[in-house]
Amino acid sequence: QKEVEQDPGPLSVPEGAIVSLNCTYSNSAFQYFMWYRQYSRKGPELLMYTYSSGNKEDGRFTAQVDKSSKYISLFIRDSQPSDSATYLCAMSDYKLSFGAGTTVTVRA
Amino acid sequence: ETGVTQTPRHLVMGMTNKKSLKCEQHLGHNAMYWYKQSAKKPLELMFVYSLEERVENNSVPSRFSPECPNSSHLFLHLHTLQPEDSALYLCASSQTSGESSYEQYFGPGTRLTVT
Repeated sequence: QKEVEQDPGPLSVPEGAIVSLNCTYSNSAFQYFMWYRQYSRKGPELLMYTYSSGNKEDGRFTAQVDKSSKYISLFIRDSQPSDSATYLCAMSDYKLSFGAGTTVTVRA
Repeated sequence: ETGVTQTPRHLVMGMTNKKSLKCEQHLGHNAMYWYKQSAKKPLELMFVYSLEERVENNSVPSRFSPECPNSSHLFLHLHTLQPEDSALYLCASSQTSGESSYEQYFGPGTRLTVT
């Protein structure tokens, strides 16, 4: 079993739609939960991070962590073509473990 | 830009060649990382340097040899690679302590093709 599971997609949505991404994990020691965004021909960049369970909102982006279910989510509201990228979840106890990434395309 | 640069951006090498990848960070961080990114697979952590000392080596084959001469520079020396080593090699940096150690800044990567 992989430590972090993420559906690679691809996911294609029309502009303005809500994008829903999620990851599951097996290591209960994870305390920090991150979402990275990777544009084509670029390295990943940190989008949001959450410590332990709960929700965090930043503009159009909302991250949710449910440690009891070992499940994390990222929601993108009012999606834009500029949101087209690969989104990687990452989790940490003392080092980062990444999901495989979900490729998202927002159609204009 | 993220403050982490990598050269070259693209590299094609034969299995008998020797080449090196270079990474430089301008963020004042004291930890640096090498990752391998293959299609449809999670990022694989290869090496971690903290304060110029290697603290992690994730069972990486000896044909990959890292070097960290100071806290701003990181190299990955390559020799006698295999075609399955073709991938995007990413360098990252972070602070080593506190919550910010989980916030890593990545370079754009070197796309390596082994022929």
